[in-house]
Amino acid sequence: NAGVTQTPKFQVLKTGQSMTLQCAQDMNHEYMSWYRQDPGMGLRLIHYSVGAGITDQGEVPNGYNVSRSTTEDFPLRLLSAAPSQTSVYFCASSYRQVGGYTFGSGTRLTVV
Amino acid sequence: QQQVKQSPQSLIVQKGGISIINCAYENTAFDYFPWYQQFPGKGPALLIAIRPDVSEKKEGRFTISFNKSAKQFSLHIMDSQPGDSATYFCAASMDGSEKLVFGKGTKLTVNP
Repeated sequence: NAGVTQTPKFQVLKTGQSMTLQCAQDMNHEYMSWYRQDPGMGLRLIHYSVGAGITDQGEVPNGYNVSRSTTEDFPLRLLSAAPSQTSVYFCASSYRQVGGYTFGSGTRLTVV
Repeated sequence: QQQVKQSPQSLIVQKGGISIINCAYENTAFDYFPWYQQFPGKGPALLIAIRPDVSEKKEGRFTISFNKSAKQFSLHIMDSQPGDSATYFCAASMDGSEKLVFGKGTKLTVNP
């Protein structure tokens, strides 16, 4: 039982490049979300999904896209990376608040 | 607009002491209040959670106190240990919603 798996763990991008952060969970959780963590800012919600085929915006969605074609996977796409997107990104999943969120170990992204 | 305000930003406690972290919220529709613990390089992990129908919940050395009228809740760590050194986040969500709003975090250091 792997829980929530995020890849890659580290990534350096040049401004303007695009990339996809991968997130997969094997707990059959309906709810999945992406957060970014910046010093002194806590965890801010980027996008979330309540099930396959359903996504919605969170607090800071600009510059990011998501899709949810399966229950297991919830990739986050950076369309045109900017230095302001330098952050640590966390994917999380949950099942109706039972047991709380399970977070992945994060992806540290640097945009130069 | 910050929906959950957390204080202090950082806290230094001696081993064996009591650590207290406070959170306040504005939205009276919130009805689920978890606390997460995060160690460096790891994703946050659920520590303890409370709903407004109780004023206190205790799990081992960790206690949540909840004051519905004041719209405040706090985490108390009794007999704090160096292994408790981590960043702690409070959060809140509404009934039927998996969407969590996080505080900005408190970095706790427990000195030996």
